[in-house]
Parts: sequence; C-alpha cells; structure tokens
Amino acid sequence: DAEITQSPRHKITETGRQVTLACHQTWNHNNMFWYRQDLGHGLRLIHYSYGVHDTNKGEVSDGYSVSRSNTEDLPLTLESAASSQTSVYFCASRQGRADTQYFGPGTRLTVL
Amino acid sequence: QKEVEQNSGPLSVPEGAIASLNCTYSDRGSQSFFWYRQYSGKSPELIMFIYSNGDKEDGRFTAQLNKASQYVSLLIRDSQPSDSATYLCAAFTGYALNFGKGTSLLVTP
Repeated sequence: DAEITQSPRHKITETGRQVTLACHQTWNHNNMFWYRQDLGHGLRLIHYSYGVHDTNKGEVSDGYSVSRSNTEDLPLTLESAASSQTSVYFCASRQGRADTQYFGPGTRLTVL
Repeated sequence: QKEVEQNSGPLSVPEGAIASLNCTYSDRGSQSFFWYRQYSGKSPELIMFIYSNGDKEDGRFTAQLNKASQYVSLLIRDSQPSDSATYLCAAFTGYALNFGKGTSLLVTP
C-alpha cells in the first residue's frame, strides 16, 4: 500500500546543531508539505513543494529549509536548531491542489 | 493573515448524542474545506471534505458549508467514546491547507 513515512520519529538535539527530518511518500504525489504543530497554535505551514526542484515558504519558514530532488522525498533541515523549534513536525502530501491531503506519522523534535 | 477559527473546547457530549463542531474562515476565496480528526499523539486523518454550499453526508458525519456566512460545521450523529479526539477544520487557500487550532471533543459513556 502507498504510504507516507517520516524519520526519525523522535529526535533530541542541542541548540545550534543542524538537524534533518526525512519525509518519504510512495503515493507519487506532486505536492508535499511540512507543518509544525504546537499547543495553542495548531498546524502551521513551514514549506511546501509542487514538484521536483520546486520549493516555497510557508508562514513559519524562518530557520528551516527544504529541497526536492525527486518526487518521493522532501527533507526538512533546521540549519541551526533553536529551543523554539521544539515541536511535532508533520509531513503531508497530496496529488492535486485540492485533493485529499495525507499526513505522515510525525516527528517529535526536542531541542535542548 | 487568512484565519480559520475554531472553538478550542473541550466540547463534551453524552454517548449517542449529536456533536456539533463549528468553524469560520476569513478568506472568501477559499473554495474547499476539510475536516480532520486527530487522536492524541497521532497524525491528522481526513474525515470528509466539502466544496459546495449545503450539506454533505458520509455515514454518521455531516459537513455543512455556508459560503455567504463563511461558516463550516461538522455534525457527528450517535457519538461514540471512540469519537473523542481533536477535530481540525481546514480551508484550501489556493496552495495549501490552512488549519484552525482544533476543537477537542469528549464523548462520555
């Protein structure tokens, strides 16, 4: 069955370190998204991509970057982790612009 | 900032009752709306979506959309304890889904 996976599922890191969160989908979806979810804020869009080599900033993109070298993967990089980036990160994908969006299982990141 | 607003709850309903979850949105250009359910510690899962004004039914769930009032709702009939979760309303902005903060629903036996 097609699916969307994230790794690692849990990560603890230190302030200032570079961290990369992986997202892999086998739906062959063009559109992929990264969200963070925090108490009191809900799901907020970090970056999104409409296809290979396409990336766009969301509402909370500062301190994060993404790259899309193939259809299946959209890794999220925290260039220099900060405590404010402690959160649960969800990757999502969908085929068309208004199609059903599917979420990965999430990565819980703690920055000490 | 284009907003999607939800009452955070918790909304408590007895088992077997109808749960009514509401959502308003600020962007009149939003064309489609989605309801997701999220259990604690899990990822959001789609319940249903709605594009047109009126009601859309799927099993125990009914989504209602009123574009003039910029209002979306989700009704859950015959609520079960397993329906206890956070319900997220989302509006499609033209490039991504914009989510509300969610409403916590508790169904008591």
